[in-house]
Amino acid sequence: EAGVVQSPRYKIIEKKQPVAFWCNPISGHNTLYWYLQNLGQGPELLIRYENEEAVDDSQLPKDRFSAERLKGVDSTLKIQPAELGDSAVYLCASSLGTSGYNEQFFGPGTRLTVL
Amino acid sequence: RKEVEQDPGPFNVPEGATVAFNCTYSNSASQSFFWYRQDCRKEPKLLMSVYSSGNEDGRFTAQLNRASQYISLLIRDSKLSDSATYLCVVTLDTGKLIFGQGTTLQVK
Repeated sequence: EAGVVQSPRYKIIEKKQPVAFWCNPISGHNTLYWYLQNLGQGPELLIRYENEEAVDDSQLPKDRFSAERLKGVDSTLKIQPAELGDSAVYLCASSLGTSGYNEQFFGPGTRLTVL
Repeated sequence: RKEVEQDPGPFNVPEGATVAFNCTYSNSASQSFFWYRQDCRKEPKLLMSVYSSGNEDGRFTAQLNRASQYISLLIRDSKLSDSATYLCVVTLDTGKLIFGQGTTLQVK
């Protein structure tokens, strides 16, 4: 069975450019998460979806970040415009249910470098 | 103060050693607790859940002390392959997950 798929794996852009990341969760997983991970830090939640509804986007910098999960399956995270400080690994994860007891499965991440 | 705190290490230990990691959390509404493992430049993967009664999985033992808001992970007979970063994860009653900074273990 395929795990969480993310693309691209690496992205290098210049500041002020837009960038988008795509995630396809494990089939049947209703809950989808986007995290940001800086070097030497743990993942920080950006947004959590339950099906197509964003149930927690309190940590998403809405002035430049946006996300969507229109059909409750795959999801896209966008940054426009990107800033130098956005350089990080963007991780997508999914879980079977909405309970906090469910294991999260992570994708390989997208490593973003903003020059 | 961070909501989930861990000593970042690194912990450098010889093969066969026993090593323990600690994690403290500040939110008393925390509901569930986990240890995840993250290899260098890889994604985090669940190592084990943590229960009040404690749980053991082979060489790994996890403990939870709700009164002190403290979680621990004990690794016995360390192997080279145990070298990784160990992330403490706490889930609030809202469903929000909070990761600690991670503790780096290097087994030599």
